[in-house]
Amino acid sequence: AQKVTQAQTEISVVEKEDVTLDCVYETRDTTYYLFWYKQPPSGELVFLIRRNSFDEQNEISGRYSWNFQKSTSSFNFTITASQVVDSAVYFCALKDSNYQLIWGAGTKLIIKP
Amino acid sequence: EAGVVQSPRYKIIEKKQPVAFWCNPISGHNTLYWYLQNLGQGPELLIRYENEEAVDDSQLPKDRFSAERLKGVDSTLKIQPAELGDSAVYLCASSLSPGRTQYFGPGTRLTVL
Repeated sequence: AQKVTQAQTEISVVEKEDVTLDCVYETRDTTYYLFWYKQPPSGELVFLIRRNSFDEQNEISGRYSWNFQKSTSSFNFTITASQVVDSAVYFCALKDSNYQLIWGAGTKLIIKP
Repeated sequence: EAGVVQSPRYKIIEKKQPVAFWCNPISGHNTLYWYLQNLGQGPELLIRYENEEAVDDSQLPKDRFSAERLKGVDSTLKIQPAELGDSAVYLCASSLSPGRTQYFGPGTRLTVL
């Protein structure tokens, strides 16, 4: 079965701390895509990153970095030196061979000043 | 480039009333999606369009929900009659093609009283 698990329902840290959001997925497909989206309080889902199953290179974009490990079926997201504006719900998603996006339940990240 | 546009942003209606949501996708995006998002959960796909054809509407409750995408650009999602359980955020997304990244609009928050 295709499934995405975000075990952390809510994380609260103090500003400037580093924080890692976990994402574990299950799929039978050999070709698939993984995504992270951010949903701030305004409600709009903002695309952050897309990674295909053949590319296990880690990605860094400013304070954001992603660690993709096929061996553990994980695609974790780290925010370095967190800021209050990073407060949001973060969703991990898997696109299967039928083009459906399978979503995790989301992790609510609270950054306290 | 303009993002996905949705209107209205908020709608409050009484149960049994009809309601309609409108979506204008990113220019050139052939694939359009309607999602429903309940509080604290990830989005759930209602329907996916390829141009003007609904290619995946298996999750659309067809007894009260309908959608159309005339001319393969704008789309309308309708609920008639609305029920209390329909209160949620209705998200529209678009992508160049089914396998490409989905970009989301701000959503319409529906409250059924």
